[in-house]
Amino acid sequence: EPEVTQTPSHQVTQMGQEVILRCVPISNHLYFYWYRQILGQKVEFLVSFYNNEISEKSEIFDDQFSVERPDGSNFTLKIRSTKLEDSAMYFCASSERGGPNTEAFFGQGTRLTVV
Amino acid sequence: AQSVAQPEDQVNVAEGNPLTVKCTYSVSGNPYLFWYVQYPNRGLQFLLKYITGDNLVKGSYGFEAEFNKSQTSFHLKKPSALVSDSALYFCAVRETGGFKTIFGAGTRLFVKA
Repeated sequence: EPEVTQTPSHQVTQMGQEVILRCVPISNHLYFYWYRQILGQKVEFLVSFYNNEISEKSEIFDDQFSVERPDGSNFTLKIRSTKLEDSAMYFCASSERGGPNTEAFFGQGTRLTVV
Repeated sequence: AQSVAQPEDQVNVAEGNPLTVKCTYSVSGNPYLFWYVQYPNRGLQFLLKYITGDNLVKGSYGFEAEFNKSQTSFHLKKPSALVSDSALYFCAVRETGGFKTIFGAGTRLFVKA
């Protein structure tokens, strides 16, 4: 069964450092997403990406964040200068279509710890 | 704005008993509702969705959900719980006119042997 894969599973970084979280969406999917889940809190939407551009972003997704699809398979989330409060589980997701009746499929997540 | 609420932080049930995890929704327009499950140290797995049609939706692992428009509810159910069903369950709604999935706070299900 096709699945979304994320690497690494766990990343520890020092405050102020840049991190890149990587994802390989399901191959025939066209819409890509990043979500995050701070420990014990809700899963929060960060950004959606379609046709090589951001289609929607939340207020969390400020100038420190960027996304890119550098080739035909990878989808990355970059945090330029990490803060302690960026520590969270980051989930990549993809969907075949962008409509409201389409489920998104999620990866296993990358646990980011900022020290 | 679309939202979902899960009124219970935790549900405890004995193995073999039926389980219900509650969810209520608030949407403008047609509701598109989903259930996801998160096992420890794992990602979110899609269980089922309601788009239109039958109010009883069947999904993965023997789960089903009942859509009730008058009560604006979408409760997750299973006739006979397994210990392996113990996990964190999220109700969700896809935003109409947007791209994001909006999640409830989650309900932790404990199934005791």
